[in-house]
Amino acid sequence: NAGVTQTPKFQVLKTGQSMTLQCAQDMNHNSMYWYRQDPGMGLRLIYYSASEGTTDKGEVPNGYNVSRLNKREFSLRLESAAPSQTSVYFCASSEAQDLSGNTIYFGEGSWLTVV
Amino acid sequence: AQSVTQLGSHVSVSEGALVLLRCNYSSSVPPYLFWYVQYPNQGLQLLLKYTTGATLVKGINGFEAEFKKSETSFHLTKPSAHMSDAAEYFCAVSEGTGNQFYFGTGTSLTVIP
Repeated sequence: NAGVTQTPKFQVLKTGQSMTLQCAQDMNHNSMYWYRQDPGMGLRLIYYSASEGTTDKGEVPNGYNVSRLNKREFSLRLESAAPSQTSVYFCASSEAQDLSGNTIYFGEGSWLTVV
Repeated sequence: AQSVTQLGSHVSVSEGALVLLRCNYSSSVPPYLFWYVQYPNQGLQLLLKYTTGATLVKGINGFEAEFKKSETSFHLTKPSAHMSDAAEYFCAVSEGTGNQFYFGTGTSLTVIP
């Protein structure tokens, strides 16, 4: 039972380079999310997709773009990486558009370093 | 807007001692409350959640939490700490509308043998 799978697990980028983090879930969830985790700041929402075909900005969207490719997949793109984007990125999913106590399930994280 | 405050970014307890991790939230509507655990280099796993009903919620690995509306708190406890409990713990809240899920900044639990 894979749950939420994200790739790559580790990546080092040079400033200005672009890359895409891939995420897929096999739980038939409607909603998907991208978070970043930084020391002392907990998890902050970058973008989310309430359902297939929709995306919305979260708390810290600047410098990122997302694509909800289909119900299973939700990718995060850094168009021009900056050192401030060095972080651990988590993809997550939940069953319903209205969370209503639905559990959010996380991938194992992607460690990104921008030098 | 919601906010979640976890008091104490680092907590140390002796093996066998009580674990108490504090979480307070602000919400204008009845919230849904969650505790997640993160082991090193892993994603977050659900420990327990409160939606409605009984205010004392039991989770995995012997953890439990009590929703106290009057105190706007959802503290996590475990009667006897085990070495394997060493991890980062996150409290989270959602209002059940929209898709915002708010996390606290986390508490790192160290268990001393």
